[in-house]
Amino acid sequence: DAMVIQNPRYQVTQFGKPVTLSCSQTLNHNVMYWYQQKSSQAPKLLFHYYDKDFNNEADTPDNFQSRRPNTSFCFLDIRSPGLGDAAMYLCATSNWRETQYFGPGTRLLVL
Amino acid sequence: AQRVTQPEKLLSVFKGAPVELKCNYSYSGSPELFWYVQYSRQRLQLLLRHISRESIKGFTADLNKGETSFHLKKPFAQEEDSAMYYCALSGLEETSGSRLTFGEGTQLTVNP
Repeated sequence: DAMVIQNPRYQVTQFGKPVTLSCSQTLNHNVMYWYQQKSSQAPKLLFHYYDKDFNNEADTPDNFQSRRPNTSFCFLDIRSPGLGDAAMYLCATSNWRETQYFGPGTRLLVL
Repeated sequence: AQRVTQPEKLLSVFKGAPVELKCNYSYSGSPELFWYVQYSRQRLQLLLRHISRESIKGFTADLNKGETSFHLKKPFAQEEDSAMYYCALSGLEETSGSRLTFGEGTQLTVNP
């Protein structure tokens, strides 16, 4: 039973062409997170939503935006993808201060 | 700033041998430490967290604040323990969610 679902699993986009990655959850958790993981590197938190409150990390580029229209869904928008944005993007959910549950990730390729 | 260091990218042991995956951290406040594991072709999942003081799949980890370490140990490694292991830190003072800072991971291979 998938609890944190990410679509698509693989996404190919062109340099500079906006792209949206999707995450949904069936756990009714109030916190949703987006992490970026480049090859052989640690997952790095981009931002998170605590209910409807958006929390951006200080070093997250402006090129990255997020939307959370309801409890179940959260989107990652990359306005103008560059070659350096190619990575695995991980979505996670939790209740406050509880275990984070991760999705399978979306691998983004920028051509 | 918070930082997590896993000094070994790769660790290889034989089945039945003890294994220790090292994790050191730096954080000015009160840390909460975790170990996450990712088996081949599976998603990242929690293995254990220090406040639970549990033993999961034979693994244990003790938070040593003096040495700022949270090493993961298992007395007898099994082949099914082969995976990527990430140490992660969150601050207990945080008021929204649990922002995790991850180490770069250690790929453990248990040979038959």
